Amino acid sequence: DAKTTQPNSMESNEEEPVHLPCNHSTISGTDYIHWYRQLPSQGPEYVIHGLTSNVNNRMASLAIAEDRKSSTLILHRATLRDAAVYYCILRFYGGSQGNLIFGKGTKLSVKP
Amino acid sequence: ETGVTQTPRHLVMGMTNKKSLKCEQHLGHNAMYWYKQSAKKPLELMFVYNFKEQTENNSVPSRFSPECPNSSHLFLHLHTLQPEDSALYLCASSQDLRPLNEKLFFGSGTQLSVL
Repeated sequence: DAKTTQPNSMESNEEEPVHLPCNHSTISGTDYIHWYRQLPSQGPEYVIHGLTSNVNNRMASLAIAEDRKSSTLILHRATLRDAAVYYCILRFYGGSQGNLIFGKGTKLSVKP
Repeated sequence: ETGVTQTPRHLVMGMTNKKSLKCEQHLGHNAMYWYKQSAKKPLELMFVYNFKEQTENNSVPSRFSPECPNSSHLFLHLHTLQPEDSALYLCASSQDLRPLNEKLFFGSGTQLSVL
């Protein structure tokens, strides 16, 4: 699977939007972009995923660059509960193995 | 509550002990996974099972032995572990291994300490 690069940490204020960037310059045409987050003392939690088009769900939005070499996870109004480590992961579409590979992620802090 | 339950939540064991970690999912999924999360390191995939068959062993030492008796249960048998094996062990499940269905649901993990 291709590699991703994320900032180690970011800070946000409560109730403000947060844009979490991810670079994946070696992405292939069949790689899906997945985002998970891990709250303290819990296992990771699925957030969103996409291939080419921007995606929205109740948790977040995923904006994918036109060349697909980068993407941004958008939390529209950060809450204290959104403080977590956010992982951007590429997943090869054509594979049959469950090798979702996590990197170091971005630790998001949310200030009241 | 994710629908994936791991027991015990915490485990302390000596290097000569034998213990087992248990994972159970109530989601009707067919794929199950073991991940290891050491302090300040990324999650490492250990094993993958799909329809009870092991499809991936990520070069895990033989002192870790997985077992998947059915699609709802996954075990990790531990014996003669080393202190560096101390970590959070996470179980996950997904509908199956097709990427469109590969939304993983994780348990809260077992925090293992090897003395």
